[in-house]
Amino acid sequence: SQKIEQNSEALNIQEGKTATLTCNYTNYSPAYLQWYRQDPGRGPVFLLLIRENEKEKRKERLKVTFDTTLKQSLFHITASQPADSATYLCALDRGGGNNRKLIWGLGTSLAVNP
Amino acid sequence: DAGITQSPRHKVTETGTPVTLRCHQTENHRYMYWYRQDPGHGLRLIHYSYGVKDTDKGEVSDGYSVSRSKTEDFLLTLESATSSQTSVYFCAISDRVADTQYFGPGTRLTVL
Repeated sequence: SQKIEQNSEALNIQEGKTATLTCNYTNYSPAYLQWYRQDPGRGPVFLLLIRENEKEKRKERLKVTFDTTLKQSLFHITASQPADSATYLCALDRGGGNNRKLIWGLGTSLAVNP
Repeated sequence: DAGITQSPRHKVTETGTPVTLRCHQTENHRYMYWYRQDPGHGLRLIHYSYGVKDTDKGEVSDGYSVSRSKTEDFLLTLESATSSQTSVYFCAISDRVADTQYFGPGTRLTVL
């Protein structure tokens, strides 16, 4: 079955450093992969989507890479700030037609220390 | 929260009682989803809808039913609540299938 793995350990970094989060998947070739942010007690919020034919995508301080050979996506937050502290989820699509759905990783908790 | 509301936001109920959660959207998105989120399991799809009166099961649909009589409303019913259904429930919407999803604020349900 399809499986998504994200860094299971919480990530603690110092303010100003670059945070790098990993999303690995097996047994599937998604058309695209998405990253979301989730704060405690709230629903996930979409951040970035990267397609299988894109190597890299950027949005402000965020950068996502997608390596379909390694079956891996990396999510970078540069110049990190305490406000970036949250749980980050990756999701990829599977299936086809109206049966196409997203499957989700468990998320990686990021803490940015001032 | 992208024009999505969920009600109630919190509910405590007893085992064996029926419970209905409501999701309402003002975005006119075609697709609507119900997820549950539990520690160690992440987000799991319960049911989804791809149009009015068009619904299908997700990966954890046992014990749940849904209805969508209007574009803007998607109801999730626990026919006879069990303690294993204690969870946080999220509704999500998207304009295209399996595309970017926008989530509601969640409903925390406790079944005693």
